[in-house]
Amino acid sequence: NAGVMQNPRHLVRRRGQEARLRCSPMKGHSHVYWYRQLPEEGLKFMVYLQKENIIDESGMPKERFSAEFPKEGPSILRIQQVVRGDSAAYFCASSPIPGTYEQYFGPGTRLTVT
Amino acid sequence: SQELEQSPQSLIVQEGKNLTINCTSSKTLYGLYWYKQKYGEGLIFLMMLQKGGEEKSHEKITAKLDEKKQQSSLHITASQPSHAGIYLCGAEFYGGSQGNLIFGKGTKLSVKP
Repeated sequence: NAGVMQNPRHLVRRRGQEARLRCSPMKGHSHVYWYRQLPEEGLKFMVYLQKENIIDESGMPKERFSAEFPKEGPSILRIQQVVRGDSAAYFCASSPIPGTYEQYFGPGTRLTVT
Repeated sequence: SQELEQSPQSLIVQEGKNLTINCTSSKTLYGLYWYKQKYGEGLIFLMMLQKGGEEKSHEKITAKLDEKKQQSSLHITASQPSHAGIYLCGAEFYGGSQGNLIFGKGTKLSVKP
């Protein structure tokens, strides 16, 4: 059973470009979570999605960031008009159901904005 | 203010020594998760604790949750270089959003051979 997959592993974007980060959850997992890890800071929750639904986006910046988890295909975290402060490691996790079940994390996408 | 405090922030131990990492919450925990992260990689799930007084072990790593469910400790016995990494505690709180884990800032562990 393959683990959570994220691609690309490394992404370099210039200021003002768009960044698209992909996450394929573990087989059988229908809940996806996105976290951001900034340098010298802890892991911060961004958004929680089920198939075709956003359940909790309380950690998402109000502008430029969006996430989706379509019926078919991976979950996508999209950052428009990237700025240097968006440089971070973005992790995706999945679980079979939410709540007290452990979340399995992907290897992360390291975004660098130049 | 940080809802989860980890201590120490970093730790250097000689191979073979025991060590303990603590995770303290300002609020009662619904669930407490321990993860390990190697530099530049993702998080590896270690253990989940939910009941007050619960203790779980996996190989040489033992995690405990206190009766009040506000503090957890991670204990490594006879440390090895393979234990090196960043240990993160994550928590769900009563009244919090499902699935939204709050993480501590991590404890960086180095094991000297």
